[in-house]
Amino acid sequence: DAKTTQPNSMESNEEEPVHLPCNHSTISGTDYIHWYRQLPSQGPEYVIHGLTSNVNNRMASLAIAEDRKSSTLILHRATLRDAAVYYCILRPDGGATNKLIFGTGTLLAVQP
Amino acid sequence: EPEVTQTPSHQVTQMGQEVILRCVPISNHLYFYWYRQILGQKVEFLVSFYNNEISEKSEIFDDQFSVERPDGSNFTLKIRSTKLEDSAMYFCASSEQVRPLHFGNGTRLTVT
Repeated sequence: DAKTTQPNSMESNEEEPVHLPCNHSTISGTDYIHWYRQLPSQGPEYVIHGLTSNVNNRMASLAIAEDRKSSTLILHRATLRDAAVYYCILRPDGGATNKLIFGTGTLLAVQP
Repeated sequence: EPEVTQTPSHQVTQMGQEVILRCVPISNHLYFYWYRQILGQKVEFLVSFYNNEISEKSEIFDDQFSVERPDGSNFTLKIRSTKLEDSAMYFCASSEQVRPLHFGNGTRLTVT
């Protein structure tokens, strides 16, 4: 499974944008970039995913580098509820498996 | 919004006892998963299940573990003879084929 590298932790202030980086230099052409988050005492929650183009949804934006070796999850205005562990995961398109392999993620702290 | 539900939220058992963790996946999903998270550690993949059979399993999922979809709605994880190191949060997830996974909020298993 292709590996991702994320900072262990980041801090943000409430109502400010947050940029969470992820490096995936060994990404293959069929790997989708997925982001999940895990709020305290809850199961992981899907945030966003993309292949090559930048993506937006109601939760966040995903900016993907042109060479696809890195990506950035953007929370436009952090709230206290966004404090969580954020996981960047590569997931092959098609193939025999739909599983996700979680790394250690980035622990995001949001200060009021 | 439909969600994955897991019961019980907390299960305490004695070493050597059998436990069954229950999950109700989202109704139109066809892929089902179990993950576990030992306190303070990563979310680890255990098994995926499709078309009434295991499609993939990890090294953790040894002969002590089994999964079943006994009726059209439930998906269960059985641990035959629990060990202290089985203490963890167990998360069930479901998905459509190449769609994001939806996770439940987990069952905390404590083995004493």
